[in-house]
Amino acid sequence: AQSVTQPDIHITVSEGASLELRCNYSYGATPYLFWYVQSPGQGLQLLLKYFSGDTLVQGIKGFEAEFKRSQSSFNLRKPSVHWSDAAEYFCAVGLRYNTDKLIFGTGTRLQVFP
Amino acid sequence: GAVVSQHPSRVICKSGTSVKIECRSLDFQATTMFWYRQFPKQSLMLMATSNEGSKATYEQGVEKDKFLINHASLTLSTLTVTSAHPEDSSFYICSARARLAGGPYNEQFFGPGTRLTVL
Repeated sequence: AQSVTQPDIHITVSEGASLELRCNYSYGATPYLFWYVQSPGQGLQLLLKYFSGDTLVQGIKGFEAEFKRSQSSFNLRKPSVHWSDAAEYFCAVGLRYNTDKLIFGTGTRLQVFP
Repeated sequence: GAVVSQHPSRVICKSGTSVKIECRSLDFQATTMFWYRQFPKQSLMLMATSNEGSKATYEQGVEKDKFLINHASLTLSTLTVTSAHPEDSSFYICSARARLAGGPYNEQFFGPGTRLTVL
């Protein structure tokens, strides 16, 4: 069965430090890959997505993610974290045979210290 | 653009009562809406998919008689939790997708969620 794993439940970084949030998936083919951010009182916002082509994708708010097929990973990165980046981050997989269905990871809560 | 709202944001009800949650697409027509459930420290789980004017498609293990979904217009879908019990307490999130525009994927836009507590 398809699944998404985010191994880090909670990450704390200092403002200005670099960030990497890990995501691994299990799927028989190359899925569509997404990163969402969830802030309190707001809906999930799409940060970036990967469908095909260049494995390094750029998103909003200075985030990027790299798809590594050999590792079944799609890690999210940001070179310098801002306090406003504190939120919950979800990795998700979209199935190519059913593009309606998103399978989410359990999320990583990011805390940023000044 | 592409704003989805949910109402109420928080609701507390007694066991045995029914609760209705609304999901609205504010600035686009949503031909398809999705309902998710999120448990604490767990991922979002898709409950059902509804297309405007037709019956919802429920995921395996989701009781359709317990979670009634209506998608009567292109901007509104409702989820009614019938005869709610404490185990139904959860965070319910809807998303909406506009008419298919072609391409490999059509983005879902998410509402802010509704926290349901059943006493």
